[in-house]
Amino acid sequence: DGGITQSPKYLFRKEGQNVTLSCEQNLNHDAMYWYRQDPGQGLRLIYYSQIVNDFQKGDIAEGYSVSREKKESFPLTVTSAQKNPTAFYLCASSTLKVVGATEAFFGQGTRLTVV
Amino acid sequence: AQTVTQSQPEMSVQEAETVTLSCTYDTSESDYYLFWYKQPPSRQMILVIRQEAYKQQNATENRFSVNFQKAAKSFSLKISDSQLGDAAMYFCACQTGNQFYFGTGTSLTVIP
Repeated sequence: DGGITQSPKYLFRKEGQNVTLSCEQNLNHDAMYWYRQDPGQGLRLIYYSQIVNDFQKGDIAEGYSVSREKKESFPLTVTSAQKNPTAFYLCASSTLKVVGATEAFFGQGTRLTVV
Repeated sequence: AQTVTQSQPEMSVQEAETVTLSCTYDTSESDYYLFWYKQPPSRQMILVIRQEAYKQQNATENRFSVNFQKAAKSFSLKISDSQLGDAAMYFCACQTGNQFYFGTGTSLTVIP
């Protein structure tokens, strides 16, 4: 079945450590996105990519980094510079919009907790 | 900048009744699309319904329908014959270009 897979589902990190969240899709989508979800704040865009080896910062990119070496993969690294990393992280993908709507498909999410 | 506003953090509805969730948006783009997503306790985001801004006819998907008021930039979701499985967080979203902008969500409780 086609879809988006995020791993792990739960992740614990010690303060000062970097951690990488995995996101893989087999939908042949060009665009991929990382969102952070906090209670009462909806989904906020961290980074997005529309093509391999290219990505753009979203609204809250500070303390995060990404790579897009393959079309299928868009890992997110939460660095020690991120002051408040405890949150729920969602990865999404979509086709590039040429004509008509292109819905975003989401992974199951990763819950990151700093201990 | 695009903004999406959901002014109802929480809503409740009696089972089998109808409920309407509100959403307003602001965009300067003429080409945009609107969505409602559902996030149940599993936290998997599921598309409920979509609306093309250039279409005057309101979208409908079974028990779910929208009231799209383009001039007012309003996009509300009506759930008819509410079921226990409808209990979830609902997010309104606006797509412009290849970007999606989400509201802060409305938590819907369904009372048996």
